[in-house]
Amino acid sequence: GENVEQHPSTLSVQEGDSAVIKCTYSDSASNYFPWYKQELGKRPQLIIDIRSNVGEKKDQRIAVTLNKTAKHFSLHITETQPEDSAVYFCAASTGSWGKLQFGAGTQVVVTP
Amino acid sequence: EAGVTQFPSHSVIEKGQTVTLRCDPISGHDNLYWYRRVMGKEIKFLLHFVKESKQDESGMPNNRFLAERTGGTYSTLKVQPAELEDSGVYFCASSQPGETYEQYFGPGTRLTVT
Repeated sequence: GENVEQHPSTLSVQEGDSAVIKCTYSDSASNYFPWYKQELGKRPQLIIDIRSNVGEKKDQRIAVTLNKTAKHFSLHITETQPEDSAVYFCAASTGSWGKLQFGAGTQVVVTP
Repeated sequence: EAGVTQFPSHSVIEKGQTVTLRCDPISGHDNLYWYRRVMGKEIKFLLHFVKESKQDESGMPNNRFLAERTGGTYSTLKVQPAELEDSGVYFCASSQPGETYEQYFGPGTRLTVT
């Protein structure tokens, strides 16, 4: 089955700096890669996703890149703000209704 | 539009007792998923319903867990009898196949087994 590894487990950045979280996956059939943000005490919320027919996607300060050959994808947050502090999860799945296989999460702390 | 709701938000039970968790998906969503996050680890898949049918239950840990979705609307997840290792946060998510693959998560039920 699919195995998703996520690094780092914790990430501390100064406000205004960039943050990068990396994930690798094992199943070459995976074709959908979402990123979820979970703030303390709240539900996981989708912040950006990418499908395997695209190499990069950007939404304001957030971008995701995908390297299908190497089976890894990354989340990039630029100009970090204190409200970016949260746990970020990467995931992989096959198809439009497949189960999500999550990474272990990255605790991001943005210090003013 | 109301999001995915879960009840209760928190449950504390003793080992050996029974607990039933409930999930109400977004109206009209055929797909309903149960996930669990244990002790700060990754969120793990438990099972997937399409309407009232179990599409994939490969993540269910053992036969102490029973999920139902009668009528294809809300779902329940029963743990009987509960063990200490069942403690964690149980998330429900729903989605509707189409152009968007997004799964919408509920707020979770924090289960503590003592």
